[in-house]
Amino acid sequence: AQSVAQPEDQVNVAEGNPLTVKCTYSVSGNPYLFWYVQYPNRGLQFLLKYITGDNLVKGSYGFEAEFNKSQTSFHLKKPSALVSDSALYFCAVRTALDTGTASKLTFGTGTRLQVTL
Amino acid sequence: KAGVTQTPRYLIKTRGQQVTLSCSPISGHRSVSWYQQTPGQGLQFLFEYFSETQRNKGNFPGRFSGRQFSNSRSEMNVSTLELGDSALYLCASSLAGGIGQFFGPGTRLTVL
Repeated sequence: AQSVAQPEDQVNVAEGNPLTVKCTYSVSGNPYLFWYVQYPNRGLQFLLKYITGDNLVKGSYGFEAEFNKSQTSFHLKKPSALVSDSALYFCAVRTALDTGTASKLTFGTGTRLQVTL
Repeated sequence: KAGVTQTPRYLIKTRGQQVTLSCSPISGHRSVSWYQQTPGQGLQFLFEYFSETQRNKGNFPGRFSGRQFSNSRSEMNVSTLELGDSALYLCASSLAGGIGQFFGPGTRLTVL
């Protein structure tokens, strides 16, 4: 079974400071990893994904994530936070073994990012 | 390209009723997945349809069902609604064998 852990319910950071939202995963085989963001009363917006290759993945709105296979982590980062980044962030995983047969994503519980002036 | 659309955006039903939610995927996407989001359980996978066939199912009771049409549009149905079915229902589409899923805005279902 695959699982995702987001150990922090909330992360608080001042605008202009770097931010990190943590994610660890467990999956059989190679993982496909994703970050999504959700604003109030909205669906999920795709930020970035890791499939293979470079461990540092760059995504939308200046976000990036670092894949660490030995630590089974995929932490989301941004060098300089904005107040408008305040939202709920979800990490998700699926196994590469499912490619072509199923697209089930397993999500973490979400981390609320609060960026203040 | 237009994104994933879901209708209706909001629904209020009473216990015991049934409800049908609709999802139109991004043009060219043949896979549609449904997720339930609640404050207590988070995001949980309901089922996935591809080429009008259900090819993956989550751990939900049989009251939750779905289908997909030849144009890839999908519907999910919940019968005999319970209070605990109140949730945001999200639909996501992807290309055949695609790795990324793109989500719609969701349907907020409230069961009274």
